[in-house]
Amino acid sequence: SQQGEEDPQALSIQEGENATMNCSYKTSINNLQWYRQNSGRGLVHLILIRSNEREKHSGRLRVTLDTSKKSSSLLITASRAADTASYFCATDAGGTSYGKLTFGQGTILTVHP
Amino acid sequence: NAGVMQNPRHLVRRRGQEARLRCSPMKGHSHVYWYRQLPEEGLKFMVYLQKENIIDESGMPKERFSAEFPKEGPSILRIQQVVRGDSAAYFCASSPAGGASYEQYFGPGTRLTVT
Repeated sequence: SQQGEEDPQALSIQEGENATMNCSYKTSINNLQWYRQNSGRGLVHLILIRSNEREKHSGRLRVTLDTSKKSSSLLITASRAADTASYFCATDAGGTSYGKLTFGQGTILTVHP
Repeated sequence: NAGVMQNPRHLVRRRGQEARLRCSPMKGHSHVYWYRQLPEEGLKFMVYLQKENIIDESGMPKERFSAEFPKEGPSILRIQQVVRGDSAAYFCASSPAGGASYEQYFGPGTRLTVT
């Protein structure tokens, strides 16, 4: 499997519910970032969490990072139809690979009004 | 402050032609990254450039692909003698500096179709 794999591949929920997406990776990292991509559009940066951080919040978003399990989760609370998009995690291994983000396959989130 | 600009947004080329994709980073950003996204897949790193320097090109195919980021003007990703397998969305990102602590800001992408 690849670095930065998201789970589930697709998630369908009702407006108002919470959405949780998970990301696993294989190598040690310097930071992990979450991005959103609306269909046919570019990527929007959501949150960057560093390897020495365990949790970060931004509005309705909450990201956790467990470096011992090499995993991260993105929680979107009180989801809205406008949150419908693909969500990707991306890892930066640092060192000689700094700046090179490795993306997962993404989770397709559909929020029904 | 304009975001990352890419042009063209859509590009159609016949097999064997050349494709040139342009990327203007955000103002004040001197680091540019190119990624490719095949249909139904995540983004794959291609190359990382600073002004006049290629920092990491480990994701670039060995043949037909080249990238530059001159002192003046946009970064250019060039694909020579395109083949159908080159059809993809190509995204450019920029950051104010290198290193793992900087967010990368993405452009809207160029969708290349090879007929």
